[in-house]
Amino acid sequence: GAVVSQHPSWVICKSGTSVKIECRSLDFQATTMFWYRQFPKQSLMLMATSNEGSKATYEQGVEKDKFLINHASLTLSTLTVTSAHPEDSSFYICSARADREADTQYFGPGTRLTVL
Amino acid sequence: GDSVTQMEGPVTLSEEAFLTINCTYTATGYPSLFWYVQYPGEGLQLLLKATKADDKGSNKGFEATYRKETTSFHLEKGSVQVSDSAVYFCALSPYSSASKIIFGSGTRLSIRP
Repeated sequence: GAVVSQHPSWVICKSGTSVKIECRSLDFQATTMFWYRQFPKQSLMLMATSNEGSKATYEQGVEKDKFLINHASLTLSTLTVTSAHPEDSSFYICSARADREADTQYFGPGTRLTVL
Repeated sequence: GDSVTQMEGPVTLSEEAFLTINCTYTATGYPSLFWYVQYPGEGLQLLLKATKADDKGSNKGFEATYRKETTSFHLEKGSVQVSDSAVYFCALSPYSSASKIIFGSGTRLSIRP
């Protein structure tokens, strides 16, 4: 089946530093990937839609300069949290939509970010 | 705006019990409806989906019927197993945006042997 990986699975950083999270589709090509954020006991909230070779589309209220997204290949999207602060601590989940299955998203296992 | 509401967990059942996890939605038009499952340490997996009213999605013994009159998509299984222990998310994809998925808050299910 279609597998999506994320790296790292968890990260702890100091306030003011930047953190990069990778999302890879391992056995399929994904022109479109998505980044979600999940707070404890709450829904997954879509942050942005990432399209290979073009700028990401951000949801209302998400700071594009804070959460930098790069989708440089058909199998890799990265999310960089710049100048992280404790309120950025969260669980970040990516998904990839297989080019051959337009109505299905495959999800990564998530990355737990803790900012001290 | 569009939203999904599902019953809060955790839900604890004995093996072979009947399961219902309630889910209702608010949306304009005709959204597609989904149930996703997240097993411990794994990513979300699509469990089943329904794309129009009265459709029934089914997979691995789970079923859910798209009820437009009650705006509901309740998840059911006749006899649960320990291996069904996971977090279940109800979700919708708005009619106007096939890419976007709006999730409920998730329901943690634990099955006792």
